[in-house]
Amino acid sequence: DAGVIQSPRHEVTEMGQEVTLRCKPISGHDYLFWYRQTMMRGLELLIYFNNNVPIDDSGMPEDRFSAKMPNASFSTLKIQPSEPRDSAVYFCASSRLAGYTDTQYFGPGTRLTVL
Amino acid sequence: RKEVEQDPGPFNVPEGATVAFNCTYSNSASQSFFWYRQDCRKEPKLLMSVYSSGNEDGRFTAQLNRASQYISLLIRDSKLSDSATYLCVVRPHAGKSTFGDGTTLTVKP
Repeated sequence: DAGVIQSPRHEVTEMGQEVTLRCKPISGHDYLFWYRQTMMRGLELLIYFNNNVPIDDSGMPEDRFSAKMPNASFSTLKIQPSEPRDSAVYFCASSRLAGYTDTQYFGPGTRLTVL
Repeated sequence: RKEVEQDPGPFNVPEGATVAFNCTYSNSASQSFFWYRQDCRKEPKLLMSVYSSGNEDGRFTAQLNRASQYISLLIRDSKLSDSATYLCVVRPHAGKSTFGDGTTLTVKP
């Protein structure tokens, strides 16, 4: 079975541009998570969905960030307008359930550089 | 204070050595605990869950001390391939995981 798929793998953009990151979770997984990883802040949970519905977006840094999950097999994370401090690796993860012991499987990440 | 704290290292050990990492967490209501491994420029991957009674998976042993709010990971007979960053993960409630910043291990020949 294919793992979590993310695109693009690398994105370089200029400050002020809109950036859209994409994720396809593992088939049959009902939970989808977006994380951001930086050297300064480590791995942070931005938002997660259950059955396409956002459950907790308290980690979304500000209004410039938005996430959607229009169906069970696709999610986007959008940054508009982008800023240099948004440069990070963005990971998408999915899990079948979200119980205490359920494993989250991570995608390969999108490495974003905002100039 | 961070919710999950780890010694960042780096730990530099020779092949065959035994090395231990500790991780402390602040939320006493946390229910589940994990160790993830992250190779350079790769995604985190589950190494093992940590059970209350402690658990072992080959050369890896995980322990949980709820009273002191820390978990540990012991690696015996280190291999070159064990070189990675090890992330401590605490799940205070279903759905939300908090990751430590990771401990970097380098195993040298």
